[in-house]
Amino acid sequence: GAGVSQTPSNKVTEKGKYVELRCDPISGHTALYWYRQSLGQGPEFLIYFQGTGAADDSGLPNDRFFAVRPEGSVSTLKIQRTERGDSAVYLCASSYAGTGGYNEQFFGPGTRLTVL
Amino acid sequence: DAKTTQPPSMDCAEGRAANLPCNHSTISGNEYVYWYRQIHSQGPQYIIHGLKNNETNEMASLIITEDRKSSTLILPHATLRDTAVYYCIVKSGANSKLTFGKGITLSVRP
Repeated sequence: GAGVSQTPSNKVTEKGKYVELRCDPISGHTALYWYRQSLGQGPEFLIYFQGTGAADDSGLPNDRFFAVRPEGSVSTLKIQRTERGDSAVYLCASSYAGTGGYNEQFFGPGTRLTVL
Repeated sequence: DAKTTQPPSMDCAEGRAANLPCNHSTISGNEYVYWYRQIHSQGPQYIIHGLKNNETNEMASLIITEDRKSSTLILPHATLRDTAVYYCIVKSGANSKLTFGKGITLSVRP
């Protein structure tokens, strides 16, 4: 079946501009996660949704970053007034609501954001 | 979640077993050990997880020491396509974030 998809695959923008990154999770997955990965580093957690609500947004670096998931499926990560330091690969993952203390997250291919 | 320590890199010959170590000395009783890998320019991919017992699936085996302070991921017959960064992650709770370190870069040579 279809995996997690992310669009666009690449986004180049200028410093100060606004960008939106989209994530389509696997159908039926109630949990959705955003991570970002800088060159040479492991992915870094940003925010986690359970259904429509953000259950954990402790990883958002500042108030320029915001994410929504209005219908509990597709999610959009929004970055205002982009800075060169925002350049990274933004990864989305989804999972079933886990039981028994564990679950598997399925990752998309990521969106490579470049801020000039 | 407990921190994990992995060597930065290792290599192995194609067709041989690759044994990837991970230390997690501060792991607590309800924390699972997960392994993910990331092939270049792709998103991370789940491999396996375990709590106390050793686990095996079609991709790999996970050996967890009795005191649970360390574990080893075993790829029984490494192929060139197994070249990737492998992340050992310890976490509790099903629906919580994954905390990635830098992982171990496995290079499989022909």
